[in-house]
Amino acid sequence: GENVEQHPSTLSVQEGDSAVIKCTYSDSASNYFPWYKQELGKRPQLIIDIRSNVGEKKDQRIAVTLNKTAKHFSLHITETQPEDSAVYFCAAPGTQKLVFGTGTRLLVSP
Amino acid sequence: DTEVTQTPKHLVMGMTNKKSLKCEQHMGHRAMYWYKQKAKKPPELMFVYSYEKLSINESVPSRFSPECPNSSLLNLHLHALQPEDSALYLCASSKVGVRTDTQYFGPGTRLTVL
Repeated sequence: GENVEQHPSTLSVQEGDSAVIKCTYSDSASNYFPWYKQELGKRPQLIIDIRSNVGEKKDQRIAVTLNKTAKHFSLHITETQPEDSAVYFCAAPGTQKLVFGTGTRLLVSP
Repeated sequence: DTEVTQTPKHLVMGMTNKKSLKCEQHMGHRAMYWYKQKAKKPPELMFVYSYEKLSINESVPSRFSPECPNSSLLNLHLHALQPEDSALYLCASSKVGVRTDTQYFGPGTRLTVL
């Protein structure tokens, strides 16, 4: 079936620490993995994505890694800042649609 | 223009009312989506339009009726809703591929059904 598991559900870090969020998918044919950030009361916004022809992609303090063999991908945020506080959703393609993970609430304390 | 816009931002309606949500994009995208999002949950797909034709209906109750008048516009007509339908309704669009193209979300309509 179509399933994207996301962990942890909540993550609290101190400003300047790193944060890692992990997702596991079930469809081995999946080849596109976006990450969305949703601040309270706002729209989900794409922050980074990766396609299956690469194992890692970086954009400043954000990176995503993909392990196709294990069928998991992770979001890494370095030097976290209070404005990184939000809910983060991973997603992976299902049979006909994009399937979202259950979300991780990240809280960065000053 | 790289944005998806939605109106209204907020909507309060009674269970006997008829209302419509509107979504617009001018990015030339040919796939458009309606999602429903409850608090602390991920977006839940409702409908997909591909090239102005309904391609996915996720078994949504008939009190929700989507419409795609042209490639830039997407409507969601609401009638006889229930209080449990209160949620954030998000519109999204992508180039073509439902599974492989980036989806861009609008700001959403916060719907309250009394």
